[in-house]
Amino acid sequence: AQRVTQPEKLLSVFKGAPVELKCNYSYSGSPELFWYVQYSRQRLQLLLRHISRESIKGFTADLNKGETSFHLKKPFAQEEDSAMYYCALRSSDKLIFGTGTRLQVFP
Amino acid sequence: DAGVTQSPTHLIKTRGQQVTLRCSPKSGHDTVSWYQQALGQGPQFIFQYYEEEERQRGNFPDRFSGHQFPNYSSELNVNALLLGDSALYLCASSPEVGTPIFGYTFGSGTRLTVV
Repeated sequence: AQRVTQPEKLLSVFKGAPVELKCNYSYSGSPELFWYVQYSRQRLQLLLRHISRESIKGFTADLNKGETSFHLKKPFAQEEDSAMYYCALRSSDKLIFGTGTRLQVFP
Repeated sequence: DAGVTQSPTHLIKTRGQQVTLRCSPKSGHDTVSWYQQALGQGPQFIFQYYEEEERQRGNFPDRFSGHQFPNYSSELNVNALLLGDSALYLCASSPEVGTPIFGYTFGSGTRLTVV
């Protein structure tokens, strides 16, 4: 079955601390993975996609096919990073989302 | 460009009633997908419309139906509402199916409360 798992509902860190939001997936074939972010009172928006190998707002994510993971990382968290983060897997032009992780960054 | 617009933003309905939600896609996008996001959950795929036809469907009952118009806008209809249908309904538009760079643009959603 195709599935995305985000094991942490809430991750709390202090400003300047490293952040790692975990994402594991189940998919037969070559996966295409994304991270979406939803800031307070804003719409869901794309943060990054693995295929582009980009860094957005200091966040990076590496696809690890051996561990079936796509963890989101940032070396130094900022208060403005506080938001809901969703990992998503593309399947036949639709997205399968995880349940999301709320990141709280304290000053 | 206004992006994806959805209406209404909030809605309260009674069990057993019917509801219609509306979505206008981003300019240049011709594919519309609908998602249901229950409280504390990630969005779940309902169905996708392309060229005015339902292209694929998630695991939702037939009470959920949709339509796409020639201008690419779309409606989501839910009949015989249940309390469990209370959720945020998201519309997402995307460029033509098969475009090499896959990308959704999401609307702000319609918050449906069934009482």
